[in-house]
Order: sequence, then structure tokens, then C-alpha cells
Amino acid sequence: DQQVKQNSPSLSVQEGRISILNCDYTNSMFDYFLWYKKYPAEGPTFLISISSIKDKNEDGRFTVFLNKSAKHLSLHIVPSQPGDSAVYFCAASVSTGGFKTIFGAGTRLFVKA
Amino acid sequence: DVKVTQSSRYLVKRTGEKVFLECVQDMDHENMFWYRQDPGLGLRLIYFSYDVKMKEKGDIPEGYSVSREKKERFSLILESASTNQTSMYLCASSFGQSNEKLFFGSGTQLSVL
Repeated sequence: DQQVKQNSPSLSVQEGRISILNCDYTNSMFDYFLWYKKYPAEGPTFLISISSIKDKNEDGRFTVFLNKSAKHLSLHIVPSQPGDSAVYFCAASVSTGGFKTIFGAGTRLFVKA
Repeated sequence: DVKVTQSSRYLVKRTGEKVFLECVQDMDHENMFWYRQDPGLGLRLIYFSYDVKMKEKGDIPEGYSVSREKKERFSLILESASTNQTSMYLCASSFGQSNEKLFFGSGTQLSVL
């Protein structure tokens, strides 16, 4: 049973528009959430995170929104650029629960020029 | 920048062989992890270590073992490789608390024939 779900395997967006990547989780104990970005032939790299005490965190073009009641988070990229084309992984952890970070299956984003 | 280096980019092995995947990090991180990435399943944790000579099972440890004799090095061992262990293997490290961001290596694509 997947505790972190990314239901869209892929997303295609025009350059300059907003990209919205969604993630749902089932474990209410999760209190820290992260997004990673992965290019082909490279390992994932950390993009942005949010603690459950917040509902929004922003870093440049990237904003993560957390809706705890819906157990849902989303990553917004504005404006989208061709270099953003990559696989995005949502991840969650329990800050007092040891070292397990649970990852979603990933969403492949295509940004068309 | 943190560097996590995995010894091989591609490996091809035969069923029943013993396989060693090596990982080295250069930032004095306490924690090291082995994940495998499979399409539609995301990243799944195999084993992790939070200190030298310490190891903990992740979500899918069956068929694997690990070794951490030095702080900077974490090895994944497939005692008797099987075809269902064909996958992308990713090593990661992190500093301090359990919810700290992970730094990943570039991955090893292992094919077991």
C-alpha cells in the first residue's frame, strides 16, 4: 500500500505557464514533506520542503502548498521553463519516527518551448 | 557541495552471482541509505545506516545485505543476484536528524540476466 501517491505519471505544460504537481498521502503521522527533482542519468536532488506546521513555503519560482486536512500537497512552478523538464518525486517522513523517507512514484514534467 | 559517488554507472551480472555496489560520500554525513527505483513504484528503501557498523532494514531488505566499516562508505551486497533485482540503485546520505534532505548519487543501473 503506497503511503505517498502521485497519481499523474506525466504532465505537459507550455513554457511560461504554471506547472502544478500533486501528491497525496495516507499516513497522518507524516509531518515533513519534500520535493526532489531528477534528471536522466542523475540522482534526485532536493528542491523544496515544508513542515506540517506551515501551509505554504516558497523558494523563487517554486512554491509548495500543504493541506493537512485533505492529506494533500502540491508543487507550483511559475513560470515554467524548459529546464524544469524532469521527474519530480514527492516524499514524506515522520520527524520523530526514525530515518524512513517515503517516496511517491514520481511525475514526469515536460515543459514545451 | 556534497558529493555522493557510486562506483559503477552500469552493471550486468548473471543470476546467482554475488554483487557489490559501493557508495562513498565526502561530507562526513552520519546517515547513509540504499534505495532502488522502479517504474511506477518510486524509490523504495532497502537499508540504511546511522553510524559506522550500524545498519537498519528498510522496507524491502530481502535478498540484500549492507556493510558500513567506515563513515564515508556504505556497500550494498546482493548475496545471490536474481532477475527481480534488476533495477536502478541509488545511494544517499544525510546529516543529523531523520528528516534532513537526502543527497543522492547518480545511481547504478543493475541488470541481472
